[in-house]
Amino acid sequence: SQWGEENLQALSIQEGEDVTMNCSYKTYTTVVHWYRQDSGRGPALIILIRSNEREKRSGRLRATLDTSSQSSSLSITAAQCEDTAVYFCATDAQGGRALIFGTGTTVSVSP
Amino acid sequence: EAAVTQSPRNKVTVTGGNVTLSCRQTNSHNYMYWYRQDTGHGLRLIHYSYGAGNLQIGDVPDGYKATRTTQEDFFLLLELASPSQTSLYFCASSPGQGANERLFFGHGTKLSVL
Repeated sequence: SQWGEENLQALSIQEGEDVTMNCSYKTYTTVVHWYRQDSGRGPALIILIRSNEREKRSGRLRATLDTSSQSSSLSITAAQCEDTAVYFCATDAQGGRALIFGTGTTVSVSP
Repeated sequence: EAAVTQSPRNKVTVTGGNVTLSCRQTNSHNYMYWYRQDTGHGLRLIHYSYGAGNLQIGDVPDGYKATRTTQEDFFLLLELASPSQTSLYFCASSPGQGANERLFFGHGTKLSVL
């Protein structure tokens, strides 16, 4: 069964707006990956955040990790059309076997 | 940038057919993975391997076999394909196992089982 999932399946916003998507976990983890998948391509890592970081930024992206609530978030500031993609959270809470992915959030940014 | 190549890009077969999906990585990574992607389910782990000759079972292994012939090559086998296996399949590789390792994905193989 899936132990992590994003709380929203799809978001539609306009350019310039900010957007936040969340991911929650049923088991303890100290590291969360966020991947982005563009249409017709495989996922690609955009941010990896560890519990001792609490918050991590990369350009207009900001990720947080709260181990007490077993949740992580990814925010995009001033979204642009090229941010249109599917975003996945992932971690390896199942004893470190392999990354397990959430169901993904589809973000659509219109002009 | 790490390179993972999947073939074919598209495949159509009939129920009961025999299908092999191929994946090659040239990154000298130890770990390779097969995931399937379906709407509403995200990416689900089928099988993975930490080296030639090794195979580990993932979360949705039923109906799938896999074989790691070399460090570079990882194959996914569907010996009696069923319509429920219609999906987008991704191969990935990583240097090691676990949360601290970034996965590098191929472009995917779209499989249709009629």
